[in-house]
Amino acid sequence: GAVVSQHPSWVICKSGTSVKIECRSLDFQATTMFWYRQFPKQSLMLMATSNEGSKATYEQGVEKDKFLINHASLTLSTLTVTSAHPEDSSFYICSAIYWGAGSYEQYFGPGTRLTVT
Amino acid sequence: GNSVTQMEGPVTLSEEAFLTINCTYTATGYPSLFWYVQYPGEGLQLLLKATKADDKGSNKGFEATYRKETTSFHLEKGSVQVSDSAVYFCALSLQGGSEKLVFGKGMKLTVNP
Repeated sequence: GAVVSQHPSWVICKSGTSVKIECRSLDFQATTMFWYRQFPKQSLMLMATSNEGSKATYEQGVEKDKFLINHASLTLSTLTVTSAHPEDSSFYICSAIYWGAGSYEQYFGPGTRLTVT
Repeated sequence: GNSVTQMEGPVTLSEEAFLTINCTYTATGYPSLFWYVQYPGEGLQLLLKATKADDKGSNKGFEATYRKETTSFHLEKGSVQVSDSAVYFCALSLQGGSEKLVFGKGMKLTVNP
């Protein structure tokens, strides 16, 4: 089946620094990827839709200047959390759309745990 | 707005027990409904889905029926196994699943031998 990876799986950074999270579709090309955020005991919340070769579409309430998304190739999207603060600590999950056999499905990465100290 | 409400766990069952995880939804249109499962250390995987009323999704012994009249999509399995231990998410999409998914909070299931 289609596989999506994320790197790193876990990162700790100091307040005020930036951190980049990578999302890769390993065995398929994905023109569309999504970034989600999950707080403890809460559901996944969609942050933005990442489209290859164009600007990301952010959900209402998500700061686009803080959460920079780049989808420069058909297999890679990156999320950069700029000037991170402790309230940005969360579990970030990406997904990618796989088209095959006349249908499509969303495949998820394993997530990245970000802790800002 | 669109939302999903599901049972919150955690839940612990013995092997071969019957499982039901309740899920209800609120949607402005006619959503597609999904159950995703997340095994430890892995990404969410689609377990089953239903795209219209009265459809039944099934996979790996799990079943869920799209009930429009009760706006529900409860997940059931007749006999759980230790390997079913995971977190289960109910979700909806108004665009068939390729677009925005709205998730419930997830429920952690532990099955003991």
